[in-house]
Amino acid sequence: DTVLTQSPALAVSPGERVSISCRASEGVNSYMHWYQQKPGQQPKLLIYKASNLASGVPARFSGSGSGTDFTLTIDPVEADDTATYFCQQSWNDPPTFGSGTKLEIK
Amino acid sequence: QVQLKESGPGLVQPSETLSLTCTVSGFSLTSYSVSWVRQPSGKGPEWMGRMWYDGDTAYNSALKSRLSISRDTSKNQVFLKMNSLQTDDTGTYYCTRDRSGDDVMDAWGQGASVTVSS
Repeated sequence: DTVLTQSPALAVSPGERVSISCRASEGVNSYMHWYQQKPGQQPKLLIYKASNLASGVPARFSGSGSGTDFTLTIDPVEADDTATYFCQQSWNDPPTFGSGTKLEIK
Repeated sequence: QVQLKESGPGLVQPSETLSLTCTVSGFSLTSYSVSWVRQPSGKGPEWMGRMWYDGDTAYNSALKSRLSISRDTSKNQVFLKMNSLQTDDTGTYYCTRDRSGDDVMDAWGQGASVTVSS
């Protein structure tokens, strides 16, 4: 299975820019997607196919990358962005998720 | 609007079978696929399997021997059955709507919490 590696946690101040990385153990073309999960809630789609903003998601969120290295960027960060962010690939079978990056807003 | 809602027992005995139902609205099961995804507390999600829009199924090989996914399009429901449950099957179980073409999980249910314990 394709393993997706994310750093476990980040802490930033409101108004700053933050980049969350995801590295795949094998190529996934551009089929990398990002989800936001707040405590007690289901995941919510933010970015699909590496760089496409999902409907209703603020333009503060953006994605980049292809192949094995991908980045989710939030600029500027707001207090409400406190959450865990997961990457997920749908190029290789089975679809797999990263273990998540917990974002703390100082 | 698009909605998915999971239902089923919150507590299952070890070695027993888990049965969950996903009831959808706002879209057709013959136009969109539906996946089951589970998430142990504090960990990343795990894709379990999918009911394709055409009625075919796909399973995670790690769970395939224990898992069955079916549907009733007249009731807008997708079903999950998994047998031989153990304590490490404890977690939250979600159903998701999957977009055709790129299999993006663009809508999620609220989740069903399942505890495997005697």
